[in-house]
Amino acid sequence: DGGITQSPKYLFRKEGQNVTLSCEQNLNHDAMYWYRQDPGQGLRLIYYSQIVNDFQKGDIAEGYSVSREKKESFPLTVTSAQKNPTAFYLCASSRDRGQGQPQHFGDGTRLSIL
Amino acid sequence: GNSVTQMEGPVTLSEEAFLTINCTYTATGYPSLFWYVQYPGEGLQLLLKATKADDKGSNKGFEATYRKETTSFHLEKGSVQVSDSAVYFCALLILTGGGNKLTFGTGTQLKVEL
Repeated sequence: DGGITQSPKYLFRKEGQNVTLSCEQNLNHDAMYWYRQDPGQGLRLIYYSQIVNDFQKGDIAEGYSVSREKKESFPLTVTSAQKNPTAFYLCASSRDRGQGQPQHFGDGTRLSIL
Repeated sequence: GNSVTQMEGPVTLSEEAFLTINCTYTATGYPSLFWYVQYPGEGLQLLLKATKADDKGSNKGFEATYRKETTSFHLEKGSVQVSDSAVYFCALLILTGGGNKLTFGTGTQLKVEL
């Protein structure tokens, strides 16, 4: 079955440590996205990529970095500069062009601070 | 800018009750509108969508009609079940030069009791 796989499901970060969240899709979608979800809030866009080797900052990119070396993969690194990283992180993908193209989501990674 | 406003939760209903979750939006241009559902500990699943005014999206007994005159996309279901307990997100999408970017509401938690 086609879909989006995020790993790990749970992740713990020590102070001053960088951690990388994995996102892989086999839907042959061009665009991929990373969102952060905090309790009682909607989703906020961190980074997005419309095509391989290209990505743009979203609304809350500070303290995060991404790469898009392959169409299928869009890893997110939470750096030590992100002072409040505890959240639920969701990856999504979509066919980029065309009004009405929905985004499809993975099951998320929950990041906590040790 | 673009924004989505949802009614605050939690909404608590008895099984077989009628459900309405209000959603209104502000957007420049002509957005597509979506409802997503999130079950505990999981990512978001697309529930239904509408791409132009007066379109009705429907799925699993849920319906929503794109009302341009009232800038609304209210979610309804005639008879809810315990299994419908989840958080529901309204979202809009507008094609821009920067790609397809979703704007989410803050979510409405639904609790259905026997």
